[in-house]
Amino acid sequence: AQSVTQPDIHITVSEGASLELRCNYSYGATPYLFWYVQSPGQGLQLLLKYFSGDTLVQGIKGFEAEFKRSQSSFNLRKPSVHWSDAAEYFCAVAAEGGNKLVFGAGTILRVKS
Amino acid sequence: SAVISQKPSRDICQRGTSLTIQCQVDSQVTMMFWYRQQPGQSLTLIATANQGSEATYESGFVIDKFPISRPNLTFSTLTVSNMSPEDSSIYLCSAREGVNYGYTFGSGTRLTVV
Repeated sequence: AQSVTQPDIHITVSEGASLELRCNYSYGATPYLFWYVQSPGQGLQLLLKYFSGDTLVQGIKGFEAEFKRSQSSFNLRKPSVHWSDAAEYFCAVAAEGGNKLVFGAGTILRVKS
Repeated sequence: SAVISQKPSRDICQRGTSLTIQCQVDSQVTMMFWYRQQPGQSLTLIATANQGSEATYESGFVIDKFPISRPNLTFSTLTVSNMSPEDSSIYLCSAREGVNYGYTFGSGTRLTVV
């Protein structure tokens, strides 16, 4: 069965600094990978997704993620963080052609001015 | 992508009672799901809502506690039955339009059981 590990529970970065949120997955075949963001009291918003093709995926709000099969990773990056990026970020995996999403534990991002 | 309306957005309920959460999608979707997010936790899938048949429940979740309906391709309900304080969570509805569209989520129902 697939699983997702987000090793960082909390991350604090300064506004304007770069950001990388780590995600490692466990799945034997081709995974479908997602990053979602959840602001306090809100639902989940899809930032980006990877199914196949170019391993560097561009998303909304200036985010990108890189799929590295050799490392079973799908890390999320942003070159310059804004205060409004403070939220909780979830990495998720779905089996190829599968139905359900399996989520990581989430990483809470704090942005300091 | 689809837009999901979920209601109520929040509720405070007495233990022993039941609450039904509604999820309306603005377009027909192939798959609908219900998730639970306990305080400070990640999302856990409760069940897949199947149109015209019984829902498919994940391990640890049972139909008697979380009955689900899906009468058509745009609507589903989740009932939390015989509630206890441990059921206090955010419940989220999700829809998948097709593999390449990703999974869309409603804004969630914040349930507090007292």
